Amino acid sequence: NAGVMQNPRHLVRRRGQEARLRCSPMKGHSHVYWYRQLPEEGLKFMVYLQKENIIDESGMPKERFSAEFPKEGPSILRIQQVVRGDSAAYFCASSPRESSYNEQFFGPGTRLTVL
Amino acid sequence: AQTVTQSQPEMSVQEAETVTLSCTYDTSESDYYLFWYKQPPSRQMILVIRQEAYKQQNATENRFSVNFQKAAKSFSLKISDSQLGDAAMYFCAYRSTHNNDMRFGAGTRLTVKP
Repeated sequence: NAGVMQNPRHLVRRRGQEARLRCSPMKGHSHVYWYRQLPEEGLKFMVYLQKENIIDESGMPKERFSAEFPKEGPSILRIQQVVRGDSAAYFCASSPRESSYNEQFFGPGTRLTVL
Repeated sequence: AQTVTQSQPEMSVQEAETVTLSCTYDTSESDYYLFWYKQPPSRQMILVIRQEAYKQQNATENRFSVNFQKAAKSFSLKISDSQLGDAAMYFCAYRSTHNNDMRFGAGTRLTVKP
């Protein structure tokens, strides 16, 4: 059973470009979470999705950031018109159910660098 | 809002010795879950141990154990017989039963000296 997959592992963008980060949850998991980790900091929650639904986006910046988890295919975190401050590691996690006891399984992360 | 505090940015331990990493949290809830995650240089987040707040017994996983003090809102991680492979960033995390996100501390960088 493959773990959570994220791609690309490294992404370089120039200011003003768009960044698309992909996350494929573990097989059988229908809950996806996105986190952002700035250098020397812990992970900060961004958004929680189930298939075709955004359940909680309280951690998402109000502008330029969006996320989706379509019926088919991976979850996508999109950042439009990137700025240097968006440079960070973005982690995706998945779980089989909503129960908060369930462990969230993390992917390897995507390191975004904005030039 | 719940906050998680790790007051030790860096810790070091001699190989085979024991080290304790501190974590405190702030919450008004009575039921929640606590986690310790390890992040090695590969940056993969690996679950080390978890604790349910309603359980009085401290969780143990091989060389890793916790000291959970609910009244003090403290959740420290003890690593016994430290190994070189234990060197990593360690993050304490809190998860409420009422929302969907995990709150992470800022992390403690553990160095293991041979």
